[in-house]
Amino acid sequence: GDSVTQMEGPVTLSEEAFLTINCTYTATGYPSLFWYVQYPGEGLQLLLKATKADDKGSNKGFEATYRKETTSFHLEKGSVQVSDSAVYFCALRRNNAGNMLTFGGGTRLMVKP
Amino acid sequence: DSGVTQTPKHLITATGQRVTLRCSPRSGDLSVYWYQQSLDQGLQFLIQYYNGEERAKGNILERFSAQQFPDLHSELNLSSLELGDSALYFCASSVGGADTEAFFGQGTRLTVV
Repeated sequence: GDSVTQMEGPVTLSEEAFLTINCTYTATGYPSLFWYVQYPGEGLQLLLKATKADDKGSNKGFEATYRKETTSFHLEKGSVQVSDSAVYFCALRRNNAGNMLTFGGGTRLMVKP
Repeated sequence: DSGVTQTPKHLITATGQRVTLRCSPRSGDLSVYWYQQSLDQGLQFLIQYYNGEERAKGNILERFSAQQFPDLHSELNLSSLELGDSALYFCASSVGGADTEAFFGQGTRLTVV
């Protein structure tokens, strides 16, 4: 079945550091890929997405590129802020399978001033 | 605010009891999804409804059931509760169809004691 694997956290960075959170997936066909963010006490918010190979999703300084050859969708940000502290989830959706999402285990990011 | 409303926000109940979680989707959204977020299982898809009909089923226990009403709100019923059912239950909604974004509610935190 489908699965998403992301690096375990927590990831602790200083403000303005470079961020990478690794995500790899296993799925049949050509899924869409997503990064969601969960701030404390809140639901999940879509951060960015990519729907086909070599697409780059970007939002709020975050970006991720859909790499079919390595089945990866790593999240990057050049300079993190304290306000980026949250849990980040990588997810996939097979577009002919009811639109449900398969999530990775989540990575907690803590950014210190 | 995602526009998806879940009630109650918190629920504490005893083992063996039954509870109902409620979700009001965003205006105009026909699809409702239920997810369970627990420490050991992560974020798992439970079930999806589209315009009142069950569309897809995930890792939903037989003790759990759901329905979507004509006004499109949805309820998730959890019965014969066990300690292991303690989790955050999220509802998400989307317009429906392929490649439509899902918007998540803030979740209902269920604690079984």
